[in-house]
Formats: sequence, structure tokens, C-alpha cells
Amino acid sequence: AQTVTQSQPEMSVQEAETVTLSCTYDTSENNYYLFWYKQPPSRQMILVIRQEAYKQQNATENRFSVNFQKAAKSFSLKISDSQLGDTAMYFCAFSLNSGGSNYKLTFGKGTLLTVNP
Amino acid sequence: EPEVTQTPSHQVTQMGQEVILRCVPISNHLYFYWYRQILGQKVEFLVSFYNNEISEKSEIFDDQFSVERPDGSNFTLKIRSTKLEDSAMYFCASNPRTGGAGAFFGQGTRLTVV
Repeated sequence: AQTVTQSQPEMSVQEAETVTLSCTYDTSENNYYLFWYKQPPSRQMILVIRQEAYKQQNATENRFSVNFQKAAKSFSLKISDSQLGDTAMYFCAFSLNSGGSNYKLTFGKGTLLTVNP
Repeated sequence: EPEVTQTPSHQVTQMGQEVILRCVPISNHLYFYWYRQILGQKVEFLVSFYNNEISEKSEIFDDQFSVERPDGSNFTLKIRSTKLEDSAMYFCASNPRTGGAGAFFGQGTRLTVV
């Protein structure tokens, strides 16, 4: 079974600053996907960024980037130029790359990020 | 942009009553899911649905739960006899043919059992 650990229950950052959220995972598989989801106060789950395990290059989406360390099983999210609208719960998630796994997601417990003006 | 739509957004029900949560997934997706999030806790997998049948279910998904895709578009989660501990946010999600795109979530249904 796969597990996802987010060791920072809460973090805060000043507007325009950079913040990094940590995530580690455990799996014996070699082919999988990793994701970061954002859950604002509306509680909708919004996909922020995805990473395929077979790709060495770290994914980037505008102000969001990841640091994927496959050997260390680490997948951190960096948010640059933080904005007030980034205030949300952030969930790290894992999915096996296999139709037999149904691509179901295993989530961490989340990190509550507050961006202060 | 296509999106997953869930109704109702909030449902209050009495303990022991049956509830049906409804979802319209993205039309060309192949994998469909229900997830649950108890307030303040992480999101948990309930069930996946593929090729018109349940493909996997978690230990949470006991005999009180059932899923259907009655007309090829809607996707429903039924809880037969609700308990207080069923109070949670329920999310429907769907995946295209390959899972690497990530699951697309609906806005959720907040279920309150009183």
C-alpha cells in the first residue's frame, strides 16, 4: 500500500514571498504519478500541478513548481510570488500508473497555507 | 472547459434516511470515483467505477453504500441508512483514459446527518 506524508500541518508566508510545502511518500512501485491539489475555503479540490515519476524534469505551472526527488521519495511544492488567493489547504497525492490500480488517489493529510498581506 | 458537476451542494438528512448524491462527470472520461472528506481530515477514497461496474472499493464502502451510472452520464452514490458519522464532504471525480492527467473533482456535496 502507498502512503503520503505531509509533515507541516500549517504554514504561513508573506505576500510576494516564496514558500515550500513538503511531501514524502512510500511505495515499492516504480511507475506512478504525483499531484498537488489546492482546496480553498470553498472546499473544491483544484489540481495545481502533476509529475510523472519517469520524468526527471521537475514540473512547473506558472508560479508553482515542484522538486521531485525520486530516490528520496520526496515531492515538495514551491509557490513563488505568493498571493492572497493562494491561501488554502494543499494536499499532496499519489497515483499508480496502472489501469489495474484504477488511478485512484492516495492523499496526505494536507498543509494549511496562509498568505498574509 | 469541461467540469464535473455535483448536486446538491448541501444535503441535510435525518439519521437512518437514504440519500442519493448525484454527479455528472466529464463526458469523455472513463474512470469515475467517489471520495469522502470528514471535516478537518484528509480526503479518502471510497470507490472507483470503470466500464459500467465497480472496479475497486475501500473498506469504508460497506453495504450501506452503492453506486450507479443509470443513464451513461449521471453517476450516483447512494447511502441506504445514514449514520451520524457519514457527515462529510463527498466528492465525485473522473479521469480520462490515462490517469496521468490527474482526477478532476466536482465541487462536492456537503452531507450533514442529524
